[in-house]
Amino acid sequence: SYELTQPPSVSVSPGQTARITCSGDALPKKYAYWYQQKSGQAPVLVIYEDSKRPSGIPERFSGSSSGTMATLTISGAQVEDEADYYCYSTDSTGVFGGGTKLTVL
Amino acid sequence: EVQLVESGGGVVQPGGSLRLSCAASGFTFDDYAMHWVRQAPGKGLEWVSLISGDGGSTYYADSVKGRFTISRDNSKNSLYLQMNSLRTEDTALYYCANSLSGYMVYWGQGTLVTVSS
Repeated sequence: SYELTQPPSVSVSPGQTARITCSGDALPKKYAYWYQQKSGQAPVLVIYEDSKRPSGIPERFSGSSSGTMATLTISGAQVEDEADYYCYSTDSTGVFGGGTKLTVL
Repeated sequence: EVQLVESGGGVVQPGGSLRLSCAASGFTFDDYAMHWVRQAPGKGLEWVSLISGDGGSTYYADSVKGRFTISRDNSKNSLYLQMNSLRTEDTALYYCANSLSGYMVYWGQGTLVTVSS
């Protein structure tokens, strides 16, 4: 099994760009996925296959991956984007990063 | 509309067993692999298990291998997780999710399992 490492917290002011990183040795070969989890709610997929955005996810959410690091970028973060964000990757088994608490205030 | 509804959680003593269920609707169930993911109180997400659409392939996290068994009944659009030899560290909210190419697309709201004496 392998590990994915995220910063525990990121803080930005409304309208600023938030970047959340996820590092892992398998990421050059495997896709990264990103989930948003608001307090008391189930996770929601916001980015799949490194950089694709599901329908219904605002355009301010984007993803990229280079080498051993994947990045979720929220351009012009809104107060409603405040949540925990988890990266995920999979071979036959799955692994989540430890999660990053995004504060927007 | 995709719906995933988990049930079967509760309080169980260490060493006990519990069977979780997940009722699926709104999509062609046997076209999708299915996951179980858990979240201990105040902690992050932990992937638990995956089963292929036909039920022929199963995968487990090392932390549950040999104790948990994932299964499905495609005639009933249902997913299951049989949990044996439960430990206090298995206390968590257990989510089911449908899967494309190994990742979770839609999630249920979870069912809470508490392992305590």
